[in-house]
Amino acid sequence: KNEVEQSPQNLTAQEGEFITINCSYSVGISALHWLQQHPGGGIVSLFMLSSGKKKHGRLIATINIQEKHSSLHITASHPRDSAVYICAVTYMEYGNKLVFGAGTILRVKS
Amino acid sequence: GAVVSQHPSWVICKSGTSVKIECRSLDFQATTMFWYRQFPKQSLMLMATSNEGSKATYEQGVEKDKFLINHASLTLSTLTVTSAHPEDSSFYICSAGGTGPGYGYTFGSGTRLTVV
Repeated sequence: KNEVEQSPQNLTAQEGEFITINCSYSVGISALHWLQQHPGGGIVSLFMLSSGKKKHGRLIATINIQEKHSSLHITASHPRDSAVYICAVTYMEYGNKLVFGAGTILRVKS
Repeated sequence: GAVVSQHPSWVICKSGTSVKIECRSLDFQATTMFWYRQFPKQSLMLMATSNEGSKATYEQGVEKDKFLINHASLTLSTLTVTSAHPEDSSFYICSAGGTGPGYGYTFGSGTRLTVV
C-alpha cells in the first residue's frame, strides 16, 4: 500500500531553533510536495521535488530517492512559522492524485 | 504566481438546504481541479477530480449525487453540497494543477461549512 509517513506529529520549538520535519514514502513517486497549512485552513505549496535540494528563504527541502525520504528544514524559526506542514507525493500509478502524510503541527514559541 | 480564489470562505446553512462552493483560477487555466474535505485534526481527503468539460471522477465512498461537481470552464469549478446534513459540516478545499510531471498544485483558501 502506498503511504506517506511523517514525523514528528507534533513539534514545539523556541524561536531561532533549527527545525527538521521528515517524510518517508514508498517506491514509485513522480514528485514530492511540501505544503504549509495555516491555522485558518489555507494551504500554500512550499516545494515540489523530484530530486536533490531546494531552498527558499529560510526553508530548505531535500529528497533522497534511494532512501525514499525527504526532509523539510526551517532555519532560524519564528513564531509565524507555526502551522501544519504536510508532505504529499504523487505516485506514478495514481497519476496526478496527491497522497498526503498526516501532517506535522509546528508551534514556535517566542 | 498562480492563484485559486475560493468562495465563500465560510458558510452556515440549515439542514436540508444546498450550498455551492466556487473555485476560480486567476490568470491561468485549470484543466483539472481536485476537491478535498478535511475534518478537524485530520489530513485532506480527496473527494473527486474534475476535468473541464467532462464528468467528475469520484473517490470510493463519496456520493456523487450529494456532492455535485461542475467544471464547465477552464477557470471555474463548483462543488454543490445538496440536502446538507450536520455530518457534512467540514472544511472543503479545492486545488488546481498537477497536470503533468513538474506541475505543482495551487490550493484555494478553503470553505468552512457548518450545517445546523
